[in-house]
Amino acid sequence: GAGVSQSPSNKVTEKGKDVELRCDPISGHTALYWYRQSLGQGLEFLIYFQGNSAPDKSGLPSDRFSAERTGGSVSTLTIQRTQQEDSAVYLCASSSNLGNQPQHFGDGTRLSIL
Amino acid sequence: GQQLNQSPQSMFIQEGEDVSMNCTSSSIFNTWLWYKQDPGEGPVLLIALYKAGELTSNGRLTAQFGITRKDSFLNISASIPSDVGIYFCAGPVSAGGTSYGKLTFGQGTILTVHP
Repeated sequence: GAGVSQSPSNKVTEKGKDVELRCDPISGHTALYWYRQSLGQGLEFLIYFQGNSAPDKSGLPSDRFSAERTGGSVSTLTIQRTQQEDSAVYLCASSSNLGNQPQHFGDGTRLSIL
Repeated sequence: GQQLNQSPQSMFIQEGEDVSMNCTSSSIFNTWLWYKQDPGEGPVLLIALYKAGELTSNGRLTAQFGITRKDSFLNISASIPSDVGIYFCAGPVSAGGTSYGKLTFGQGTILTVHP
């Protein structure tokens, strides 16, 4: 597809379970970003990847959160031992490179922890 | 860290009215971005501003990059029902004059348009 694709669109799971969220960036985009949006809030940066460089993990809220990007394309965000406060919309974005190039967002994964 | 203060938090207007919202920061930004988010969807880029003083239009939308590089505004003229949504300002986090890819976002302005 032409845009950023995220799956699943919705995920409901029990507290304590692990979840994996997937992001397919726009073809050719070298930079990929993950953000979190809690209900009624703005977006909070989590992590970004640029090419083969080490990712910037400075926004990850705890060591239960991790992400990887395989082959410079698809990325997976993993949350281990989920907590109720992890409930949010997780948004992925990509851009053609770092700096001032605009980021284009997917529609997000709405995660609900019971 | 760099924070963006966006106002107003919400607006209720009649169709046909003009709308203005703004973002301010205590830090300098090299780029200002304005996004719109519809329910259940990701933010969509409306306007990108790259130079202090720049005034850019996109249809009924107009945005300006403040001269001080610490503020920006977005105007919507002759509002229509499909303008409903949440509008966010955003800018790249920077340090030492270098901009990084990660964005910091304002809290958003919720716009409601009554027909």
